[in-house]
This record gives sequence, C-alpha cells and structure tokens, in this order.
Amino acid sequence: AQSVAQPEDQVNVAEGNPLTVKCTYSVSGNPYLFWYVQYPNRGLQFLLKYITGDNLVKGSYGFEAEFNKSQTSFHLKKPSALVSDSALYFCAVRAPTTDSWGKLQFGAGTQVVVTP
Amino acid sequence: DAGVIQSPRHEVTEMGQEVTLRCKPISGHDYLFWYRQTMMRGLELLIYFNNNVPIDDSGMPEDRFSAKMPNASFSTLKIQPSEPRDSAVYFCASSPTSIPSNEQFFGPGTRLTVL
Repeated sequence: AQSVAQPEDQVNVAEGNPLTVKCTYSVSGNPYLFWYVQYPNRGLQFLLKYITGDNLVKGSYGFEAEFNKSQTSFHLKKPSALVSDSALYFCAVRAPTTDSWGKLQFGAGTQVVVTP
Repeated sequence: DAGVIQSPRHEVTEMGQEVTLRCKPISGHDYLFWYRQTMMRGLELLIYFNNNVPIDDSGMPEDRFSAKMPNASFSTLKIQPSEPRDSAVYFCASSPTSIPSNEQFFGPGTRLTVL
C-alpha cells in the first residue's frame, strides 16, 4: 500500500522569506512523486513531479522539490515566497506498478499563508 | 485546449433528490478520475476509468453512488438518493497514458450542497 504524510496542517511565512512544505511517503519500489496546488474555489493544478534522475526538481512559479530516498521525503521549497503563493498544497505518490497505473495517493494538504 | 470541463459548478438540492454531475475530459486523455473533497476527509478518489472502462471503484462510498463513461468525451457521477453528508466539492480529472508520470489535469469542481 502507498501513503503520503504532510505533517503540517498550515505553514505561515512572511513574504520574501523561504517557504518549505514537508512531505514524506511510503511506497513499494521507486516512487513517482507529485506536488499540486489548489487556490480557493479552484481545482488542483500540477506544480512539479519526480520520476527519476536528478533529486532536485524544478517546477512552475519558482517552486522546486528535493527527493530524498533515504528519508523518503519530497519537500516542496521556494526561495522567496509571495503573497500570491497562499494556497493549499498537496503532495501525491504513485507506485510504479501496472496495478496502480492510474491511482495517485494524495496527502491531506498543507495550507500555506504568506503575509505581507 | 479548454481543459477539463465540469457542470454544473454549483448544485443545491434537497435530501432524497437525484443529483447528476458531468465531466468532459481533455481530448485524447485515456484516464478519467472522480474525486470528492471535504474538510473532514480531504481529497478522496471515488472511481477511475481507462478507455471508458471502470478500473477501480473501491472509493465509491455506497450503492447510492454510480458513475458512467459512455464515450471518451463524457462521464457522469450520479447520486440517488442524495443525503446531506454527500455535500462536498466533486472534482473530475483526466490523464494521458502517453505520459508515464501520470500527471492529472483537474477540472474546476462541482460544489454540491444537499439540504
């Protein structure tokens, strides 16, 4: 079985400061990992993904994430947060087997609040 | 591309009524997913289809829920009869098999309120 944990319900950060949203996972084999963002009253939007290769993945809107296999983590980061980054962020994992080809397991979400 | 289209965007109904939610996936996408989002339970996968065939419906809460995909460009999620605890935002998402990373594209959601 695959699972994702986002240990923080909410992260508060001042504009211009670095932002980190934590994610750990559990899956058999090498995982496919994703980050999505949800703005109020909108659907989820894809930010970035890790499939293989370089552990540092760059995505949309200046976000990046670092895959750490030994710690089974995939933390989302942004060097300098903007007020417009305030949103709900979801980490997701998929096991690379044909049985679960379509199925993503989402975390509970972390609310990011960036204050001016 | 218009993205994933869902209708209606908002639905308010009374307990016991039938509710039908609609989804048009992105053209060419082979996978279609229905999710439900609530404050208490977060984002839950209800069912997903591959090439119009249901693959996994283990997330469908009970027999009151049913989903169909009669063709590659249309899917419905039906609740009959509806109950207040069905109140949630329902998302449809689609994904192309040509991308092994399985990135999913979400629609804007339908906010369902059952009184």
